[in-house]
Parts: sequence; C-alpha cells; structure tokens
Amino acid sequence: DQQVKQNSPSLSVQEGRISILNCDYTNSMFDYFLWYKKYPAEGPTFLISISSIKDKNEDGRFTVFLNKSAKHLSLHIVPSQPGDSAVYFCAAVGFGNEKLTFGTGTRLTIIP
Amino acid sequence: EPEVTQTPSHQVTQMGQEVILRCVPISNHLYFYWYRQILGQKVEFLVSFYNNEISEKSEIFDDQFSVERPDGSNFTLKIRSTKLEDSAMYFCASSDQGFQPQHFGDGTRLSIL
Repeated sequence: DQQVKQNSPSLSVQEGRISILNCDYTNSMFDYFLWYKKYPAEGPTFLISISSIKDKNEDGRFTVFLNKSAKHLSLHIVPSQPGDSAVYFCAAVGFGNEKLTFGTGTRLTIIP
Repeated sequence: EPEVTQTPSHQVTQMGQEVILRCVPISNHLYFYWYRQILGQKVEFLVSFYNNEISEKSEIFDDQFSVERPDGSNFTLKIRSTKLEDSAMYFCASSDQGFQPQHFGDGTRLSIL
C-alpha cells in the first residue's frame, strides 16, 4: 500500500534555516491531509492540517502547502529549531472516512 | 493539554495467549481508533469506534481482534490468541465530533514470544 509516500527517509538542516518535508499521494479520493511529529517512545503529535479546498495553511513556524494537481504536499518549518528534530509523518484521509493513511516518515535532524 | 493515555507501556506475552491493551481517550472525544506500527513499517489503521460500535475496520482487524468501551472512560483492544506477527507498537487515538485531527497516545509495545 503506497498511497502516501515520503521519499526522503532523512533530512538534515542547519538551525535557523528552513526545513522542507515532502509528501506525495496517489489516491485522488483523499481530501484532508495532516502532518504529525513523533519523538522516540512517544505517539505521533498532531502539527498542522489542510483541507483539499485550500492550497496553504499556516500556523506559527509551520506552513503546509497542497498542490492537488501534482498530488503533492509539503511542510515548511521556518526557522528550524533543535526541538524540531523528530520523525515527521504525512497522513491523508478521504471524505467520509475515518482512517488515516500514513507515509513512512522523514527523520528531520536540526544541526545546531 | 488533555492527553490520550495508554497502559501498559510494554506488554510481553506468550504466543497463543490473550492480551488486552488499554486506553483512556480525551474525555470529550467521541471517536476512538487503534493503529499499529510494526518495527520499520508504516503506522497502519486497525479500527475506528463510534457510538459503541465499530464504524470502520481494516483487513488486519480479523476475528482475533475486538474492541470495547467497557465504561465511560476506557477503550480496549483485545487480541484473543496472539501470534508472533502481532508484535508491534499499538497506538490508541481519539478525536472530537469533527473526526480530525486524531490525537494519539504514546503507545503500547507488544512483544510476543
């Protein structure tokens, strides 16, 4: 099941710079997308979401962009901070459904 | 901030034994979920539960699995006869009437010997 893909297993970014995490999906029935952050030995923590009727949603240092025609979304973190070092999961859900379909995650490391 | 809590954090069980994983969802949430993550793999949906019944389940959630909300606060996942391949991290999640976002607990690591 490769409906949600995160092609970069890891990413390293200097503190203070922008982190860009990418996610692609194949199922055109997905209409709501979420980003979760996960620290070791903890559960996924909700960060930010976007509905398919929008192309951008911003919350503080976090911005999610959605390109429906390309079936692509990205999470921008600016400025990046050491506490942002974690695994980031993209997830998607279809209209009327409840289950989240997750990507494989991207491990983000912020270098001080 | 309200949290989803899961117990135990680690459960070790002999193959063939029954196991019950427990969760206390966020108190005003109405929708409850179980997911699992086998080591090195994706987080996978197991089941969703609303209004005291299963609303959606995956093909993983076979007859060996069951869920229950025995009282107003707990939500449990039971595996009747565990198999080696049931070894995974099991996450409970809950959400309010808007379905999303789902808020996750810290998980129970289930190890089947």
